[in-house]
Amino acid sequence: RKEVEQDPGPFNVPEGATVAFNCTYSNSASQSFFWYRQDCRKEPKLLMSVYSSGNEDGRFTAQLNRASQYISLLIRDSKLSDSATYLCVVSGTGGFKTIFGAGTRLFVKA
Amino acid sequence: DAGVIQSPRHEVTEMGQEVTLRCKPISGHNSLFWYRQTMMRGLELLIYFNNNVPIDDSGMPEDRFSAKMPNASFSTLKIQPSEPRDSAVYFCASSFQGNQETQYFGPGTRLLVL
Repeated sequence: RKEVEQDPGPFNVPEGATVAFNCTYSNSASQSFFWYRQDCRKEPKLLMSVYSSGNEDGRFTAQLNRASQYISLLIRDSKLSDSATYLCVVSGTGGFKTIFGAGTRLFVKA
Repeated sequence: DAGVIQSPRHEVTEMGQEVTLRCKPISGHNSLFWYRQTMMRGLELLIYFNNNVPIDDSGMPEDRFSAKMPNASFSTLKIQPSEPRDSAVYFCASSFQGNQETQYFGPGTRLLVL
């Protein structure tokens, strides 16, 4: 089992749709969680951190479920500019290195 | 403010040659990361420095790869000798402190080994 697993997609959705991505992680000692966004042939950039209480940033909502060891990202009212690959990231301390998921590709079409 | 700077942006070399990739982290950041990204394996952490000291190099593929951070503003990743399977995009990232904070990535170096 991979340490961080994501559905690779692609997800093809129309503008205005709501889309959700899930990510599961295997190490229960994981402490920090993030969603990064990577555009084609560009570097990854932080989209948002994921907190235990859940957090929202505009159209984006991230949730963490420690008991089931998964994190989620919800995008509401999708825009064409949301088309990208979304990377789930898990890290911790004590020799726990940062692990990126393989990414989920999203295509938003007009 | 300048972000993470990497050079060169593109490198084409022949098998067996030495390749040196360079990175300048964001000023004030104490942690630096080298990643490799390929279609097959995704984004993999190669090595992680904190305060110029290598903390975790378990991701370095083999002895052909070496990384140094002689000071807080410069790091190198060297491949010697290079092989075609080393072809990938190599990213450098930095964070204020540690791997539990936001990492800021450079634009990457696209390496092609023929």
